[in-house]
Amino acid sequence: AQSVAQPEDQVNVAEGNPLTVKCTYSVSGNPYLFWYVQYPNRGLQFLLKYITGDNLVKGSYGFEAEFNKSQTSFHLKKPSALVSDSALYFCAVRPAGSARQLTFGSGTQLTVLP
Amino acid sequence: DAGVTQSPTHLIKTRGQQVTLRCSPKSGHDTVSWYQQALGQGPQFIFQYYEEEERQRGNFPDRFSGHQFPNYSSELNVNALLLGDSALYLCASSLTSGGASFFNEQFFGPGTRLTVL
Repeated sequence: AQSVAQPEDQVNVAEGNPLTVKCTYSVSGNPYLFWYVQYPNRGLQFLLKYITGDNLVKGSYGFEAEFNKSQTSFHLKKPSALVSDSALYFCAVRPAGSARQLTFGSGTQLTVLP
Repeated sequence: DAGVTQSPTHLIKTRGQQVTLRCSPKSGHDTVSWYQQALGQGPQFIFQYYEEEERQRGNFPDRFSGHQFPNYSSELNVNALLLGDSALYLCASSLTSGGASFFNEQFFGPGTRLTVL
């Protein structure tokens, strides 16, 4: 079975500081990994994905994520946080080469303080 | 280019009733997945439809059923509603045809908020 853990329910960071939202996963074989963001009363918006290749993936709105196979992690990062980045962030995984559905983590609420 | 649309936005039902939620996929997409997102939790996969057939199913009872139409739109039906069915129901579309389905990201609609009293 595949699973995702987001160990922090809440992350607070000051505007302009770097931010990290943590994600670890468990899956058979190689993973496809995704980050989504959810704003209040909105659906999930795709941020970035790791399929293969470079371990550092760049996505929308200045976000990036680093795939670490040995630590089975896919942490989301941004060098300089904005107040508008405040939202709920979800990490998701599916086995590579599989049509199986996405498994999501429980989400991390990011608050960027002005 | 319209994204994924869902209707209605909000819905209030009582226990035992039945409900139908609707989804239109993003233009060019042929696959629809449904998720249930309870308050404070991540989305949980219900099922996926492709070529008008249920292709995969998550750990949900038979009270949850669906349908996909020739224009790729989809419905989610829930019978005999329980209080625990109260949640945000998300529809996501993706593209399967062409062999790229395994790593194509899913595009989500805004969801339907279902409240069961």
